[in-house]
Amino acid sequence: QSVLTQPPSVSAAPGQKVTISCSGSTSNIGKKYVSWYQQLPGTAPKLLIYDNNKRPSGIPDRFSGSKSGTSATLDITGLQTGDEAHYYCGTWDDSLGAPRVFGGGTKLTVL
Amino acid sequence: QVQLVESGGGLVKPGGSLRLSCAASGFFFSDYYMTWIRQAPGKGLEWLSYISNSGSSMHYADSVKGRFTISRDNAKNSLYLQMDSLTAEDTALYYCVRDITAPGSTYYFDLWGRGTVVTVSS
Repeated sequence: QSVLTQPPSVSAAPGQKVTISCSGSTSNIGKKYVSWYQQLPGTAPKLLIYDNNKRPSGIPDRFSGSKSGTSATLDITGLQTGDEAHYYCGTWDDSLGAPRVFGGGTKLTVL
Repeated sequence: QVQLVESGGGLVKPGGSLRLSCAASGFFFSDYYMTWIRQAPGKGLEWLSYISNSGSSMHYADSVKGRFTISRDNAKNSLYLQMDSLTAEDTALYYCVRDITAPGSTYYFDLWGRGTVVTVSS
């Protein structure tokens, strides 16, 4: 059971927008930066968003992140079939034995 | 080329040991914290351990504390994970990851290796 809660799956049609949520608590998301990772099938995860809403070089602006209170959100607009992947949120938790924590992951299906 | 390449995975019997290695290239290895993360078959990501850039500070997840030991050799641009008392639950793909840590500020993982597979089975 993950410290951060994500929906197991989301889906949307090409060109549409999808939102993936990540729910935590005051000991993690509530006081720490959130990052997001994309894992395409058969590949290693890749950093998508860091510090809640910053994109590394090379990540298109179709991907955006935000945080409010103890929850974070990843938005993907203009969906493409190549966006089909698992998405994970991550942060730091002050109260646990594993200071770095992840959500359980969300499988995005582009219909 | 900026990359991380893991090695050392394989098949090991329950109770056995394995040492994973990670070779870093293309960046100043000694400037960065480093982390090991694993992914069991069909499962999500599990953070295991980090080590500070100097090697003076380490931290472990409860699931591996006392069994796994992280270390690094900055002269060799290498990261290691010594895994002892392995069980079937340790079967996973193990990733070496560059850890962007500014204590009290930001934390994220910006460079991942392709991983090395560890299978614990009799």
